Amino acid sequence: GAVVSQHPSWVICKSGTSVKIECRSLDFQATTMFWYRQFPKQSLMLMATSNEGSKATYEQGVEKDKFLINHASLTLSTLTVTSAHPEDSSFYICSARDPPGGPADTQYFGPGTRLTVL
Amino acid sequence: GESVGLHLPTLSVQEGDNSIINCAYSNSASDYFIWYKQESGKGPQFIIDIRSNMDKRQGQRVTVLLNKTVKHLSLQIAATQPGDSAVYFCAENIGSAGNKLTFGGGTRVLVKP
Repeated sequence: GAVVSQHPSWVICKSGTSVKIECRSLDFQATTMFWYRQFPKQSLMLMATSNEGSKATYEQGVEKDKFLINHASLTLSTLTVTSAHPEDSSFYICSARDPPGGPADTQYFGPGTRLTVL
Repeated sequence: GESVGLHLPTLSVQEGDNSIINCAYSNSASDYFIWYKQESGKGPQFIIDIRSNMDKRQGQRVTVLLNKTVKHLSLQIAATQPGDSAVYFCAENIGSAGNKLTFGGGTRVLVKP
């Protein structure tokens, strides 16, 4: 149980284009999902908290107009990187909380999406 | 462990030996702690957790110790196996702050055959 998937697993795009990344909780409903980014050999940095049916809460320094988050259902959150630039190249990871039977504050992570902007 | 720049602290351990990974956390209000394992190119995998009202918790081959006095967390892996080679992160959670996780810098574990 508590499986989280991401799609795509990797994407290469040209500078200036937008890229959408999907995060799904496969076997449970997640009222809250989180988006992180991770640079090589570094730790995970929280970008935003995504709540189903409401606006995302962004961490300080994260541009909400650049990283659009939508959490339209209890099993799907999307992150859209708009007008991507090479400095947006990173490993983006989502997590979901509230699997049935588990503590409400445990987060289960997706496999990540490698974004490369040329 | 804490990372410095782009260099993760590395723990080299002989296969079969025990591993101890340390983590210093920052916020005395943190009430829940989790250890994650991350293999190259993959997302973090839950290993074990502990709440602030405990000082020790055991799982299969893993033990987490919590010392709130010095804000220190450790993960012990018994009989380390090649499959344990990965980067390990501790994470602290503050329930009163929306249950957001703050990750430590990570420690790379290399298991030598």
